[in-house]
Amino acid sequence: AQTVTQSQPEMSVQEAETVTLSCTYDTSENNYYLFWYKQPPSRQMILVIRQEAYKQQNATENRFSVNFQKAAKSFSLKISDSQLGDTAMYFCAFSLDFGNEKLTFGTGTRLTIIP
Amino acid sequence: DTAVSQTPKYLVTQMGNDKSIKCEQNLGHDTMYWYKQDSKKFLKIMFSYNNKELIINETVPNRFSPKSPDKAHLNLHINSLELGDSAVYFCASSQPQGFSYEQYFGPGTRLTVT
Repeated sequence: AQTVTQSQPEMSVQEAETVTLSCTYDTSENNYYLFWYKQPPSRQMILVIRQEAYKQQNATENRFSVNFQKAAKSFSLKISDSQLGDTAMYFCAFSLDFGNEKLTFGTGTRLTIIP
Repeated sequence: DTAVSQTPKYLVTQMGNDKSIKCEQNLGHDTMYWYKQDSKKFLKIMFSYNNKELIINETVPNRFSPKSPDKAHLNLHINSLELGDSAVYFCASSQPQGFSYEQYFGPGTRLTVT
């Protein structure tokens, strides 16, 4: 079974600073997919960024980027120039299949951006 | 245009009652899911359906019964509600489309059992 671990229950950072959220996972599979989801107080789950394990290049979406270390089974999220709207719960998630498989979530990191 | 919708968004009921949560997606996806988020914010898969067929059933009590009348709908019926069923229930859908795989989530239904 796959597991996802987020070791930082809570983090806070000043507005405009950079913050990195950690995620490690465990799997014996070689092909899989990793995701970061954001859940603001509205509770809507929003996909922030995705990474296919077969791709060596780290994914980037505007101010969000990942550091994917396949051998170390690590998948951290970096948020640059943090904004107040980034305040939310962030969940790291793992999926084995491409479009027809469950997401296994970590326990989440509550991120607060301080004005 | 709402991609994945759930009704109701809030549900307060007493122990022992039976209730249903409805989910509809207008994305044309073949696969739909139910996830449960507990009071500690932990999200866990409950069920997955592909084109009306049950694919995943993750050790969920028999009191929970999903029903998919067509591939755009996946409803969740809960019998004999217990205090521990209080949670937020999320519906989601997905469809492999090249490299744009993503699970789209509904707004969630907050169920409170008193």
